[in-house]
Amino acid sequence: QQPVQSPQAVILREGEDAVINCSSSKALYSVHWYRQKHGEAPVFLMILLKGGEQKGHEKISASFNEKKQQSSLYLTASQLSYSGTYFCGTEIGSSNTGKLIFGQGTTLQVKP
Amino acid sequence: NAGVMQNPRHLVRRRGQEARLRCSPMKGHSHVYWYRQLPEEGLKFMVYLQKENIIDESGMPKERFSAEFPKEGPSILRIQQVVRGDSAAYFCASSPGSAVGEAFFGQGTRLTVV
Repeated sequence: QQPVQSPQAVILREGEDAVINCSSSKALYSVHWYRQKHGEAPVFLMILLKGGEQKGHEKISASFNEKKQQSSLYLTASQLSYSGTYFCGTEIGSSNTGKLIFGQGTTLQVKP
Repeated sequence: NAGVMQNPRHLVRRRGQEARLRCSPMKGHSHVYWYRQLPEEGLKFMVYLQKENIIDESGMPKERFSAEFPKEGPSILRIQQVVRGDSAAYFCASSPGSAVGEAFFGQGTRLTVV
């Protein structure tokens, strides 16, 4: 049930772009993206509902392909503050319960 | 995010003792979720509660673990007779619950069993 994230780790220079993918073997109701810095709580980035919508948040955007059961997070012109571990959390099925199944995480390191 | 309060932030217990972790959701949130995170791993769902009801406890170990969310007061995650493998960060999240919305996480309780 756990979604699979790829890549597992990314190292970038400031200003470079990155894409993080999240794939599920189950039909998804929604996908939630979080960023967690070491020793801190996960911080909400965005929610995507089934329907193939795309959302943006400053220089971070995401898409959700319901048919492929995949979501991608796009980080453009990365900043040092983007460093951390990114998790996708998935709601499985046909309705929302709020219960999230998280991927294993993608560690992003942005260097000056 | 800062509105979900968890305490204590750090908890040390000897093997065999009980651990009680508390979570006060954000004001107006009636849905609480507990997750466990082992070092360098992702968040694992444990239990989903609404006031006075356990909605989904499919991620909770069958023995030694229990959770409650009483009508008054915080949600409590209780671990009895702790073992070293229980050492982890335990996060609580809350949401309004009535529609798909963001879940806000607390700062977590880091449990160390010695």
